[in-house]
Order: sequence, then C-alpha cells, then structure tokens
Amino acid sequence: DSGVTQTPKHLITATGQRVTLRCSPRSGDLSVYWYQQSLDQGLQFLIQYYNGEERAKGNILERFSAQQFPDLHSELNLSSLELGDSALYFCASSSPSVTGELFFGEGSRLTVL
Amino acid sequence: AQTVTQSQPEMSVQEAETVTLSCTYDTSENNYYLFWYKQPPSRQMILVIRQEAYKQQNATENRFSVNFQKAAKSFSLKISDSQLGDTAMYFCAFMKRQTGANNLFFGTGTRLTVIP
Repeated sequence: DSGVTQTPKHLITATGQRVTLRCSPRSGDLSVYWYQQSLDQGLQFLIQYYNGEERAKGNILERFSAQQFPDLHSELNLSSLELGDSALYFCASSSPSVTGELFFGEGSRLTVL
Repeated sequence: AQTVTQSQPEMSVQEAETVTLSCTYDTSENNYYLFWYKQPPSRQMILVIRQEAYKQQNATENRFSVNFQKAAKSFSLKISDSQLGDTAMYFCAFMKRQTGANNLFFGTGTRLTVIP
C-alpha cells in the first residue's frame, strides 16, 4: 500500500460526458501528479500541483483540468469525453524534500463507450 | 526536454536465469534520478530500483541491479534468478533533481515474461 488513494477504481461513461477523478496523497506529501496510461503504453505526465498551486504541466488536453484543494487532495476533471480518453489515470505524490521518489495510487480505469 | 527510450518491447527469460533490460535517455541536465518501475497485471506501479546520477556506484536491490553509464546515457536493469512473479511491464523513468517538481518521464516499457 503506497498510501495514495484514488477513487473511483473503475468508471464507465459515454462520449460527451464529464467525469471527476479524485486523489488523496500520502500524509505529509505536498505534491500531486497526474499521469495517463493508454492501453499498453507508457505513462504520460499530465500535470503537477504543489501545495495547491500548479507547478508543472505536461501533455494535458484543454478538455482536462485539475486542482488541488487546501487539504491537499486533488481532482482531475475530464470533459467532453472521447473514445480515445479511455485509459488508466494514475495519481502520485511526493514529499517536500528532494528524495526523488513518487508514490503511485492504484489508478482509476476510465472506459468511454 | 528529456526523452527515455526502451528499445525492447518484449523479452522473455527462463525461470532462474538472468535477463537485462535496456534503457537510454537524453538530457542536458547533470543532476537527476533514474528509476525502474514494475507494472504487474494488477497495474500497480511498483518502484524496483533508483539511481542518483551523481553516484558512480551502481544501485542494487536484492536480485535487481543496474548498469549506469552516465556518459553513454544508458541505464540497464539486470534481473538475476528470475522468478515467475517478475513477469510484468518494466518502465525506465527519468526525473530531474529539483525541489518541488519531481515529475517523471517514462519510456514506453518492456514486457517481460518469465517462462517456467
């Protein structure tokens, strides 16, 4: 158990819909990262938040947005969903120090029909 | 920008044998970390081993060891005495060493199958 909690674990929805994925980082971790893993692909970095502020942005579509709340949990919002958005979405967290390790949640599997 | 390349999409090894997975990377940074992550069928991302670029000594974790060649920008993973539980996708990853922005750049992965 990494200590990072993601909900829901599985989600099935239709094209054009909007979903929200939730992540609770490890206790004490200030950074939250979102990654997307399409079928049999590597993980693509989407976005990072550090103590409530956006810190780095990767290949995140304009239809996607994220935020980190004062209690440090984060939400990834995916809107106007397309078939190609079907993927495993991982959240990870890291501590404030430069330890070089990310702790991953178990992922949220999104299926768009 | 950082890129990570894994040129072996699939590999197989007999149980109890040794296998080496390859990884190369490209960066202009001098301070960074390199990682190997394992992703079994459960899809959980599990850290296998970590190497800090400023350390010349290769990292070792039980049956897992790396061959880190900084000048060649190469970072291979050796698995000794392979076990059936080692069957998984293995991802090489790069992280720039800095405070507060530790995002990982992943390779495309190598699917390893351990044959009984």
